[in-house]
Amino acid sequence: SSELTQDPAVSVALGQTVRITCQGDSLRNYYAAWYQQKAGQAPLLVIYGENSRPSGTPDRFSGSRSRNTASLTITGAQAEDEADYYCSSRDTTGHSWVFGGGTKVTVL
Amino acid sequence: QVQLVQSGTEVKRPGSSVKVSCKTSSDFFRNYALSWVRQAPGQGLEWMGEIVPFIDTPAYARRFQGRVTITADTSTSTFYMELTGLTSEDTAVYFCARDVFKAATGLGWLDPWGQGTLVIVSS
Repeated sequence: SSELTQDPAVSVALGQTVRITCQGDSLRNYYAAWYQQKAGQAPLLVIYGENSRPSGTPDRFSGSRSRNTASLTITGAQAEDEADYYCSSRDTTGHSWVFGGGTKVTVL
Repeated sequence: QVQLVQSGTEVKRPGSSVKVSCKTSSDFFRNYALSWVRQAPGQGLEWMGEIVPFIDTPAYARRFQGRVTITADTSTSTFYMELTGLTSEDTAVYFCARDVFKAATGLGWLDPWGQGTLVIVSS
């Protein structure tokens, strides 16, 4: 399968923890990357690999992987974390990229 | 600091073609691959294809095969994505992004991204 599945939306209270999941067969062989996209902006890489953060990504963002599921956790969510989050990985053939449908995170 | 600078908004008629550019640096050209991703209004991200300039062999998503052409101009360190047979469903923001994939480890990501180019297809 070349699909990655994400929940469409989640909400989190300010300062609380939220986990976003991404499921797909390709994740058994390839790591996920996670992107944050705010309205009208280009996507921004926030997590790649098992749990690596590009410089500039706050340490409240973390990643994990188990079997065919990758997760992005925001510990102590802030108002500025409100955004759409997309997971991506190579597909099961390794020849192309595939994206999840995105999860809209609302910070209450 | 890697930067990708894309061309401006395009308005096209149905049935026509569009060519979007993504300017990088000569260093980028020698070392990295580049992907094109599009996003229709209110929709998610959709990968279109990629090219490794020093190999010059593009790869395309199946649904765009035959309609998309990705090229790289070494003299100007600029990548291009041309899409033909435009319909209203091709109205979207088109992004270029540095494409990093390490096959031996299964590790990969797209970063950074260009600012995006809005393509509007309308009669």
